[in-house]
Amino acid sequence: GAGVSQTPSNKVTEKGKYVELRCDPISGHTALYWYRQSLGQGPEFLIYFQGTGAADDSGLPNDRFFAVRPEGSVSTLKIQRTERGDSAVYLCASSLLRADTQYFGPGTRLTVL
Amino acid sequence: GEDVEQSLFLSVREGDSSVINCTYTDSSSTYLYWYKQEPGAGLQLLTYIFSNMDMKQDQRLTVLLNKKDKHLSLRIADTQTGDSAIYFCAENGYRGSNDYKLSFGAGTTVTVRA
Repeated sequence: GAGVSQTPSNKVTEKGKYVELRCDPISGHTALYWYRQSLGQGPEFLIYFQGTGAADDSGLPNDRFFAVRPEGSVSTLKIQRTERGDSAVYLCASSLLRADTQYFGPGTRLTVL
Repeated sequence: GEDVEQSLFLSVREGDSSVINCTYTDSSSTYLYWYKQEPGAGLQLLTYIFSNMDMKQDQRLTVLLNKKDKHLSLRIADTQTGDSAIYFCAENGYRGSNDYKLSFGAGTTVTVRA
């Protein structure tokens, strides 16, 4: 595709539910990143994939958060037992290689009621 | 640490120049970026500068880097209403073991008034 795409654009869920957020990176980009953006803040790093493997997951806030990229392209961010504090915009970005310029998707706005 | 700081708000008259400032602490930064975010949208890459450069110009955008003072600025010439958005400064710092991490400021909200 022409750019990074993310689905859904909006997700409303209830506290305690499980959600999956999907990211489709730019074709050919080996590196994929997830960020979380709270209101009035800049994006905060969650996890980085190089190919299929999570090379750095140091930004995941706790073990309720998990992400996969099984074929080295599309990635899914999974949040278990959602809490109201998980409400934020989740941004995905990709880059050709690790230290290259990152291009961002439109984000998924998650609201936990 | 890798702190990035920006002023939070800027109001500018249409047609004037806007200058958005950013300071960072990480001396290992290789690239520094400016991203633009419009309401409800993701981050759009505006421009970037390599750390060994002092200035980069791209149409209405001019980026100035003072590496000694770790100060980055973005100047937008002839500011238009479509330039109203949040602008994020970001630095791609080396964290060791071939690891780079992009760190963002909190964003500067630019409002263009007629």
